[in-house]
Amino acid sequence: QQQVKQSPQSLIVQKGGIPIINCAYENTAFDYFPWYQQFPGKGPALLIAIRPDVSEKKEGRFTISFNKSAKQFSLHIMDSQPGDSATYFCAASGGTGGFKTIFGAGTRLFVKA
Amino acid sequence: EAGVAQSPRYKIIEKRQSVAFWCNPISGHATLYWYQQILGQGPKLLIQFQNNGVVDDSQLPKDRFSAERLKGVDSTLKIQPAKLEDSAVYLCASSDPGQGNSYEQYFGPGTRLTVT
Repeated sequence: QQQVKQSPQSLIVQKGGIPIINCAYENTAFDYFPWYQQFPGKGPALLIAIRPDVSEKKEGRFTISFNKSAKQFSLHIMDSQPGDSATYFCAASGGTGGFKTIFGAGTRLFVKA
Repeated sequence: EAGVAQSPRYKIIEKRQSVAFWCNPISGHATLYWYQQILGQGPKLLIQFQNNGVVDDSQLPKDRFSAERLKGVDSTLKIQPAKLEDSAVYLCASSDPGQGNSYEQYFGPGTRLTVT
């Protein structure tokens, strides 16, 4: 019930493409769904986040789509650039008895120039 | 605003030795987290502090790992004795429960531990 499943494990796209990363959760008590971006040798940094009362959120080139009934959410990166090459983690936070944050396993994205 | 500081950045030890990591969170952040990130995996929460009290340590291997938060600010994570499977990056993060989005966590650069 505490898992967050993320796919794909890795992704290669051409510059300008739209990579899509998917996540699924099980615990309906989660109420905050962030995406983190991590570059080699650095800690994860918050990219964008959504709460389950909306179905979509855009910030710049990054969009989260959220499907509450399916317990799934995804990250879309518009007009991807080589500088977007990084590992992306979805996460789910909240739950009963004080909040937890459960991370997905990560997606390694490579954007070809 | 200064970020989350961690030291050392890298550490190599032999199995059965002990090691300690240090974290200084963002000033004013009451919540502090220690995560273990094994290569190719997402961060896994080891322990969460609210000020100097433990909120969640359910996934901390308490037979070998210990953590404390001094005066609700800095924190240390210790492993004694280390095992080969402890090789990982240890990430510290902090958040401010007083802010509107209390779930947002700010991560430090991590300490890469290699146990040989």
